[in-house]
Amino acid sequence: EDQVTQSPEALRLQEGESSSLNCSYTVSGLRGLFWYRQDPGKGPEFLFTLYSAGEEKEKERLKATLTKKESFLHITAPKPEDSATYLCAVQSGERYNFNKFYFGSGTKLNVKP
Amino acid sequence: SQTIHQWPATLVQPVGSPLSLECTVEGTSNPNLYWYRQAAGRGLQLLFYSVGIGQISSEVPQNLSASRPQDRQFILSSKKLLLSDSGFYLCAWGRSLSSYEQYFGPGTRLTVT
Repeated sequence: EDQVTQSPEALRLQEGESSSLNCSYTVSGLRGLFWYRQDPGKGPEFLFTLYSAGEEKEKERLKATLTKKESFLHITAPKPEDSATYLCAVQSGERYNFNKFYFGSGTKLNVKP
Repeated sequence: SQTIHQWPATLVQPVGSPLSLECTVEGTSNPNLYWYRQAAGRGLQLLFYSVGIGQISSEVPQNLSASRPQDRQFILSSKKLLLSDSGFYLCAWGRSLSSYEQYFGPGTRLTVT
């Protein structure tokens, strides 16, 4: 069964304290792995798409990496405005399933000034 | 550029009342459309998706239904709401037949009392 697990559930950092969020997955033929940011009461905002193991994407203080079993979202020198819930999703490569995304429960990040 | 709209933003409905949530997308044609529900502190649960007008796939058996009367319009309905239908409902669109990211609307907060 396709599954996505994110850890930790919550993470509290001091401003400037770098860390990583984990997304482990089991899926039949990964077609794509996606990272989103969600602020309270709002819809998720797209951040990155990763397609194959070894791929990396960067955006400001965020860097996403992908292996065959997991993805990491590295946050370098975070600021309070980076506080949000970060969601990971995978898309199956199976033909009858490729329209569906499987989401993890998210990691709630709180960056204190 | 593409824009996705949802309304209403918030809704409070009594148990047993009907429901209609609407989602429209601008700036693209023939998108895949999705309805998700997000319970407090949990991941996104896919409810329905549509690859074209009149084509609806249901992921979770429940008292909800979806319809796509026009290419860029997606409607979520219920004849009789249950308390368990409370949650944050998100509409999303994605490009068809490929591994592209989904883009989310602002969401509707539904409280069933």
